[in-house]
Amino acid sequence: AQKITQTQPGMFVQEKEAVTLDCTYDTSDQSYGLFWYKQPSSGEMIFLIYQGSYDEQNATEGRYSLNFQKARKSANLVISASQLGDSTMYFCAEGGFKTIFGAGTRLFVKA
Amino acid sequence: DTGVSQNPRHKITKRGQNVTFRCDPISEHNRLYWYRQTLGQGPEFLTYFQNEAQLEKSRLLSDRFSAERPKGSFSTLEIQRTEQGDSAMYLCASSLADRTGIYLGDTQYFGPGTRLTVL
Repeated sequence: AQKITQTQPGMFVQEKEAVTLDCTYDTSDQSYGLFWYKQPSSGEMIFLIYQGSYDEQNATEGRYSLNFQKARKSANLVISASQLGDSTMYFCAEGGFKTIFGAGTRLFVKA
Repeated sequence: DTGVSQNPRHKITKRGQNVTFRCDPISEHNRLYWYRQTLGQGPEFLTYFQNEAQLEKSRLLSDRFSAERPKGSFSTLEIQRTEQGDSAMYLCASSLADRTGIYLGDTQYFGPGTRLTVL
């Protein structure tokens, strides 16, 4: 069965520093996509970045990059130059039609 | 059309009552998804539609839950005989299916959710 594991319930980072949010996935599919979303207190999930299982290069979107290690089944999110506004919940997901989400990591950016 | 909209944003109901939520996807999107999210957890998949066809349902979707997308545009999620355990945020998302190549998942765009409280 598909499973997403985010082992860091909470993470702290100093403003302007980089931070890595961990994500491991478990799937038997050969073709799959990996996603990161953030969810502010308003509740709306906001798409950040996507990585396809066949992509050879790590995905990047502005200050977000995805460190994809297929053999380890990990898809860590790297946020560079953290900003105070980055403080929120972050979810990793894998899928498909039936997208499976992890339990999330709450990021705290300190001034 | 600026995004996915959901109504109502909040719903408080008494146990045993029926409730219905509405989701309006991004207009050109052909796939629509429903998720349930409880406090401290990530969203859990409930069901998805491609156009008007409901193609997959989670086992979480008991017979008290029904979803429709009658014209392939907006969707409704109805919960009958609500229970306190149904209290959660119900999220809707939509995507535009990529019909070419190997399927690697669609980027889903979410609405703000409907928060249900069952007393």
